[in-house]
Amino acid sequence: GAGVSQSPSNKVTEKGKDVELRCDPISGHTALYWYRQSLGQGLEFLIYFQGNSAPDKSGLPSDRFSAERTGGSVSTLTIQRTQQEDSAVYLCASSQGGGVHREQYFGPGTRLTVT
Amino acid sequence: AQKITQTQPGMFVQEKEAVTLDCTYDTSDPSYGLFWYKQPSSGEMIFLIYQGSYDQQNATEGRYSLNFQKARKSANLVISASQLGDSAMYFCAMRDAYSGAGSYQLTFGKGTKLSVIP
Repeated sequence: GAGVSQSPSNKVTEKGKDVELRCDPISGHTALYWYRQSLGQGLEFLIYFQGNSAPDKSGLPSDRFSAERTGGSVSTLTIQRTQQEDSAVYLCASSQGGGVHREQYFGPGTRLTVT
Repeated sequence: AQKITQTQPGMFVQEKEAVTLDCTYDTSDPSYGLFWYKQPSSGEMIFLIYQGSYDQQNATEGRYSLNFQKARKSANLVISASQLGDSAMYFCAMRDAYSGAGSYQLTFGKGTKLSVIP
């Protein structure tokens, strides 16, 4: 079956521009996560969606970051007024519900470069 | 306090030999899950193996096994019969009830870069 897909795979943008990153989770997975991977910070949690519940936004680094999930499936992560420190690989993952024992399956990531 | 510790930034192993990648964790929650992921140079995070805190047996998946020592809070990954394709970054991760506001997000270690030598 299809895995988690993300687009674009690479994005180069100028400082100050807005960007949108897309994630399409595995069909039937109700939980969706966004993580960020950078050289200095390792892998960091950003935001979590579970069904129709309010998202857990506790990992978003600033109010320039936002995300939505439409129809319980596709998610879009938006970064406004990008800064150079936003350069990183943005990874999306999905799982069959929450809970500590569910493995998460990751997409290939979007490499964002802010110039 | 760091929840996941991987003390080996880099490891080398001869092809066909076994290798152990270390991982220690810290949690006060009796219910937690431990996961290992592989990240090759292509960048994708590949799920390898899972161990639940209440599991009595060590997890195994093909050439991967997890040496789970609960009292020591240790969850080392053992790769048997290493192959050139095993060269990658390996991340240990954990989920517990304190992982976010009900989100149970993964907390990752800093990773170990494994290089398999022909």
